[in-house]
Amino acid sequence: GQQVMQIPQYQHVQEGEDFTTYCNSSTTLSNIQWYKQRPGGHPVFLIQLVKSGEVKKQKRLTFQFGEAKKNSSLHITATQTTDVGTYFCAAISGNTPLVFGKGTRLSVIA
Amino acid sequence: KAGVTQTPRYLIKTRGQQVTLSCSPISGHRSVSWYQQTPGQGLQFLFEYFSETQRNKGNFPGRFSGRQFSNSRSEMNVSTLELGDSALYLCASSFIQGGSYEQYFGPGTRLTVT
Repeated sequence: GQQVMQIPQYQHVQEGEDFTTYCNSSTTLSNIQWYKQRPGGHPVFLIQLVKSGEVKKQKRLTFQFGEAKKNSSLHITATQTTDVGTYFCAAISGNTPLVFGKGTRLSVIA
Repeated sequence: KAGVTQTPRYLIKTRGQQVTLSCSPISGHRSVSWYQQTPGQGLQFLFEYFSETQRNKGNFPGRFSGRQFSNSRSEMNVSTLELGDSALYLCASSFIQGGSYEQYFGPGTRLTVT
């Protein structure tokens, strides 16, 4: 079945440093979504990307969908302790259900 | 609008027993999906229901089943529980209109099998 590979698995950063997580698929995706799960919480929807090459920003977060619609990235500028959590990408390809990557767990050291 | 609710929040069962988990989606959402989350496997898709019909099913054994009612509320059942079924079970609802498939997750049911 369709797989979505997400890297890195873990990332430890100093507060103020930037952070990026990547999501890759071997198949062309219809859309890709990003979620954040705080420790002890549940995944919360952040954004959906649909168009080839699309870039969306939410304050310090920048989301990008690759030109070939096979990869995506989430970049956080100047991380804060409130950014701690696990970031998941989730993708749809054709009529398949949403497939989640394994997530990137972000730790921010104050 | 009220968010997705799941009951119970915590459950402890013994091997061989069965369990039923309940999910109430956001009002107006007709799609409900269930996921199993474990530290080793991440978020794994169980099944999706839309208007009382199962639209998609993940790679889980037949011991895992679900259903959706006319009011969009959904239940999932796990029979003959195994230790490996210990996990956080998450329900998510979606509006699914105009190409929007964003999922709104409930707080989950933490199932422990002993």
